[in-house]
Amino acid sequence: SQQGEEDPQALSIQEGENATMNCSYKTSINNLQWYRQNSGRGLVHLILIRSNEREKHSGRLRVTLDTSKKSSSLLITASRAADTASYFCATAAGNKLTFGGGTRVLVKP
Amino acid sequence: EAQVTQNPRYLITVTGKKLTVTCSQNMNHEYMSWYRQDPGLGLRQIYYSMNVEVTDKGDVPEGYKVSRKEKRNFPLILESPSPNQTSLYFCASSSPYSEQFFGPGTRLTVL
Repeated sequence: SQQGEEDPQALSIQEGENATMNCSYKTSINNLQWYRQNSGRGLVHLILIRSNEREKHSGRLRVTLDTSKKSSSLLITASRAADTASYFCATAAGNKLTFGGGTRVLVKP
Repeated sequence: EAQVTQNPRYLITVTGKKLTVTCSQNMNHEYMSWYRQDPGLGLRQIYYSMNVEVTDKGDVPEGYKVSRKEKRNFPLILESPSPNQTSLYFCASSSPYSEQFFGPGTRLTVL
């Protein structure tokens, strides 16, 4: 089974709104990473948050990590049509990186 | 330009015909890995390599082989492809415990 599970599986919002997606995992991790994928293309790294960090920001992105709950969230503020993509969390444990199933985000203009 | 390249980008083949998908990175990364992506299943790791001559199985290694003879290259070999290996394949590289850089993907169809 997958280490990371994203929720929701799909999200549809209006341009300008915020989008929040969550990731839960099962075992201890070194870090947790978020990636974006536009349809059928390679994944692009967004943010890496280490296990001893609780929050990280990058532009309009905000990631939180709660290791006691084994969960993370990705917030995209003031969304744009160009944010339409699938978003994946990936947990790094030892030498392995395990991806969740992703959240498909549709931002309507 | 820092990048991961994969070839071919698209491949249609027949069952049992051996094929190799190449992967090369120019960032001097120690860590390289292969994933397959299937609808509804996300990305699943096939094999990974921590350095030259060091490879290990991921979550779905059956039917695949890899080698890491040089730091920059990490080819994926399908000795006898079957239709259930039809998928979108990604190669990635990184420094240890860091962000991964992904290639553009190889769409493989096995008839």
